[in-house]
Amino acid sequence: DTAVSQTPKYLVTQMGNDKSIKCEQNLGHDTMYWYKQDSKKFLKIMFSYNNKELIINETVPNRFSPKSPDKAHLNLHINSLELGDSAVYFCASSQDRVRYGYTFGSGTRLTVV
Amino acid sequence: QKEVEQNSGPLSVPEGAIASLNCTYSDRVSQSFFWYRQYSGKSPELIMSIYSNGDKEDGRFTAQLNKASQYVSLLIRDSQPSDSATYLCAVNPFSGGYNKLIFGAGTRLAVHP
Repeated sequence: DTAVSQTPKYLVTQMGNDKSIKCEQNLGHDTMYWYKQDSKKFLKIMFSYNNKELIINETVPNRFSPKSPDKAHLNLHINSLELGDSAVYFCASSQDRVRYGYTFGSGTRLTVV
Repeated sequence: QKEVEQNSGPLSVPEGAIASLNCTYSDRVSQSFFWYRQYSGKSPELIMSIYSNGDKEDGRFTAQLNKASQYVSLLIRDSQPSDSATYLCAVNPFSGGYNKLIFGAGTRLAVHP
């Protein structure tokens, strides 16, 4: 059983398109996150949801819109894709207090051409 | 000053040696500290967590925390070629009352036979 699953694993698309990435966790965790890992491998937090409520939004362009229909799902929609959006996007989940760290999904490699 | 700093490496050690990975952080009220291992093309995997000053051992891994010096390290004893990966230090600064992990840029470890 995959604990945190993301789809798709790879995404190649043209500039200006709109795309979505889906994430689901079966760990019963309260909090889910989106992180972006750039070409230098630096992991940076984008958003966090706790029980469907947005609690962290880290100065991400408005073209990125997360949605959490329930606490087990967190999706990321990106409008008007730009070359600079090319990166690996990781979904993660944790218990609310992060005492035990995160569990990461397998990542989505987004390439904008 | 970056919130979490690591030497990018590569740190090259011979098989069987001790690998020492270091991390400093800027937020004095940080409460929990983690080490993740990331193989190329894979997602980060939690290998150690530490919350109190001192050492914590788990198999070949020892995490060390010194809150006064704002310093956390990871020792890998009897290094194996399979330990070759990027090691990410992560800190929970607990800023704004919400839990999130801030990651360092990672140290690349290469263990050669």
